[in-house]
Amino acid sequence: GENVEQHPSTLSVQEGDSAVIKCTYSDSASNYFPWYKQELGKRPQLIIDIRSNVGEKKDQRIAVTLNKTAKHFSLHITETQPEDSAVYFCAPNQAGTALIFGKGTTLSVSS
Amino acid sequence: NAGVTQTPKFRVLKTGQSMTLLCAQDMNHEYMYWYRQDPGMGLRLIHYSVGEGTTAKGEVPDGYNVSRLKKQNFLLGLESAAPSQTSVYFCASSYWGNTEAFFGQGTRLTVV
Repeated sequence: GENVEQHPSTLSVQEGDSAVIKCTYSDSASNYFPWYKQELGKRPQLIIDIRSNVGEKKDQRIAVTLNKTAKHFSLHITETQPEDSAVYFCAPNQAGTALIFGKGTTLSVSS
Repeated sequence: NAGVTQTPKFRVLKTGQSMTLLCAQDMNHEYMYWYRQDPGMGLRLIHYSVGEGTTAKGEVPDGYNVSRLKKQNFLLGLESAAPSQTSVYFCASSYWGNTEAFFGQGTRLTVV
């Protein structure tokens, strides 16, 4: 099965700084690479995803980059704001397999 | 569309009691999942289903059973609750295995 690791486990930044979270995985057959955000007391929600035929995808202040050779993908948040404070999860997967999440990264943005 | 709905939202059980958590989705999704979330442990997969009538074990299946008799419903059962099963439980569904997963609002279960 998929072995997923996220780094760092916690990240503290000042408002306006950039934040980067890295996800490494073990199954080379994985072809879908999403990032979920969970605010305190809420359910996880997808914020951005990328498929294996694309190296980078951007949506306003957030972006995801993929390195299939090295089996890792990263979430990039620029110009961080207090509302970006949350727990972020990666979940690399493919059709027909279990959806396994990383242990999460707690991002704190201080103003 | 209601999306993914979990019932109940909160529950307190005594050790040894049984209960069933219901997850219902109205998006015609094939895949459904049950997770538990404990502080510092992330989302751990209990059981999942890739279609009506099918179930499979996840990362932490012991002490739980599931059924998927109808495509829209995924039931999680605790036959004999233990304090170690105190957790927040999330159900999720997706159209296919490598598509966006939608989560229910969560069920906070306390076993005393």
